[in-house]
Amino acid sequence: NAGVTQTPKFQVLKTGQSMTLQCAQDMNHEYMSWYRQDPGMGLRLIHYSVGAGITDQGEVPNGYNVSRSTTEDFPLRLLSAAPSQTSVYFCASSYHGGVLAKNIQYFGAGTRLSVL
Amino acid sequence: DQQVKQNSPSLSVQEGRISILNCDYTNSMFDYFLWYKKYPAEGPTFLISISSIKDKNEDGRFTVFLNKSAKHLSLHIVPSQPGDSAVYFCAASGRTNAGKSTFGDGTTLTVKP
Repeated sequence: NAGVTQTPKFQVLKTGQSMTLQCAQDMNHEYMSWYRQDPGMGLRLIHYSVGAGITDQGEVPNGYNVSRSTTEDFPLRLLSAAPSQTSVYFCASSYHGGVLAKNIQYFGAGTRLSVL
Repeated sequence: DQQVKQNSPSLSVQEGRISILNCDYTNSMFDYFLWYKKYPAEGPTFLISISSIKDKNEDGRFTVFLNKSAKHLSLHIVPSQPGDSAVYFCAASGRTNAGKSTFGDGTTLTVKP
């Protein structure tokens, strides 16, 4: 059972370059999210999706784009990389379990991005 | 304004003793509170949760307590084991959106043999 798969695991970019971080889940979860974690800090929400075709901004959306054309995939695009985007990026998926829901999120292993 | 706060960046305990990790929140609209455990170079993994309608949830060695009036929750680990050494994140979310959680900054727990 693969769960949530993120690629690549590591990436180095130059300022101004663009790239896409890939995220795929095989649990048929409705919700998918992107977080970033900076040293000594918690996870901050970048963008999230409540289903295919529906996305919304989180706490720190500037400089990032997302789309969700399928239930399984939720790529994160960096339009023009900046050193401030150096971070570890985590993708997560979750499901709405109704009144018994716990809102548990399942995370990928992360992508470590350095922008020079 | 940080809505979920973990005021202790680190905690060190002896193996076999109790570990108590604390978390405070400011948003009274949160309905679910979760603890995640994170090892280096891995993603966070779910540990235990509690709904806002409860004040205690227990799962083996792990117990979470919720004090709604104080907007405070705590995670108790008894007995602590060296394998529990990790970063623990407190997270909170509303009832209707399972994809949108607010995380604290984490507490690094070290359990010494």
